Amino acid sequence: EPEVTQTPSHQVTQMGQEVILRCVPISNHLYFYWYRQILGQKVEFLVSFYNNEISEKSEIFDDQFSVERPDGSNFTLKIRSTKLEDSAMYFCASGTSGVGGTDTQYFGPGTRLTVL
Amino acid sequence: QKEVEQNSGPLSVPEGAIASLNCTYSDRVSQSFFWYRQYSGKSPELIMSIYSNGDKEDGRFTAQLNKASQYVSLLIRDSQPSDSATYLCAVKGLGMITDKLIFGTGTRLQVFP
Repeated sequence: EPEVTQTPSHQVTQMGQEVILRCVPISNHLYFYWYRQILGQKVEFLVSFYNNEISEKSEIFDDQFSVERPDGSNFTLKIRSTKLEDSAMYFCASGTSGVGGTDTQYFGPGTRLTVL
Repeated sequence: QKEVEQNSGPLSVPEGAIASLNCTYSDRVSQSFFWYRQYSGKSPELIMSIYSNGDKEDGRFTAQLNKASQYVSLLIRDSQPSDSATYLCAVKGLGMITDKLIFGTGTRLQVFP
């Protein structure tokens, strides 16, 4: 069964450093998402991406964050200058339908980001 | 602010019992509702989706939706220790092009032998 994959599974970085989290969505999916979950808290939406551009972003997704689909398979989240509060699990998700669609979003296994 | 509310638990049930998990949501125009299961340190895993009022059954799981009351529930019959996890209720919001998922905080279920 196709699945969303993410690398790395765990990333440790120093505050102020740039990190890139990578995702390979399910191959026939067109809609891509990043969510994050701070330890002990709820899963929060960060950004959605369709047709090579951002469709929607949350207030968490400030200028330090960017997303890119550099080729036909990868979908990346870059944090330019990490802060301690960026420490969280970051989940990539993909789906086949947008507004009004009943399609489910399928989640990758996540990348645990630890900022020291 | 669109909200999804769940009791954080833990909900403790004995093996073989029915576990009942509840969720309310604030956005009346929401159309799609999902239950995900999340084991500690793992990603959300889809259990059920429901879009119409009433019940939807899949194996030991039954999702119930009441849009008038803005209420979604998940019943787990014949609960097993392996069902012990956090259950996340998610509601599909309405973005301009894509629909983001809005999650509740989750209910922690403990099934004891």
